[in-house]
Amino acid sequence: DAKTTQPNSMESNEEEPVHLPCNHSTISGTDYIHWYRQLPSQGPEYVIHGLTSNVNNRMASLAIAEDRKSSTLILHRATLRDAAVYYCILKGHTGKLIFGQGTTLQVKP
Amino acid sequence: DTAVSQTPKYLVTQMGNDKSIKCEQNLGHDTMYWYKQDSKKFLKIMFSYNNKELIINETVPNRFSPKSPDKAHLNLHINSLELGDSAVYFCASSQAAGGPREQFFGPGTRLTVL
Repeated sequence: DAKTTQPNSMESNEEEPVHLPCNHSTISGTDYIHWYRQLPSQGPEYVIHGLTSNVNNRMASLAIAEDRKSSTLILHRATLRDAAVYYCILKGHTGKLIFGQGTTLQVKP
Repeated sequence: DTAVSQTPKYLVTQMGNDKSIKCEQNLGHDTMYWYKQDSKKFLKIMFSYNNKELIINETVPNRFSPKSPDKAHLNLHINSLELGDSAVYFCASSQAAGGPREQFFGPGTRLTVL
């Protein structure tokens, strides 16, 4: 299963954009890039996913590098409720989600 | 109208006991999963069922036995509980196993083995 690398932690100010990077240099052609987040004391929550093109949804945007070896999750205006651990995961045909240590996002008021 | 529910939310028990955790999804999904999150917060997949058939079994001790009576339920039975089984267990479901389908997670069951 291909691996991802993320910074352990990041800080942001409330109402500012946040860019969460992820490297996945061993991604295969059929792997989807998924992002989940886990708020304190809750189960993981799906955020967004993509294959090759950039994606937007109501929660976030996903920017995928042309070579697909990296991606960036963009929260356009961070709120205190966005403080969570964000996981970048490559999802292959088996459906397994292999969680790494993720990035702990702190949002300051 | 909870999508993925688990019972109980908390479970405290003695070493050596046998316990079960139940999971139900009302999303009409075909695939269900069990994950374990240990004290260091690492989340690891344990099992996956697709249409009541086991499709993923990740080197979990055979004291752990999942059971899927129907597509909407995936229960986890643990025999002879050990201290190291203390963790938060999450159930999840998805429309299908592979491809882009996202997984929906339950709220978790915190198991404490004394």
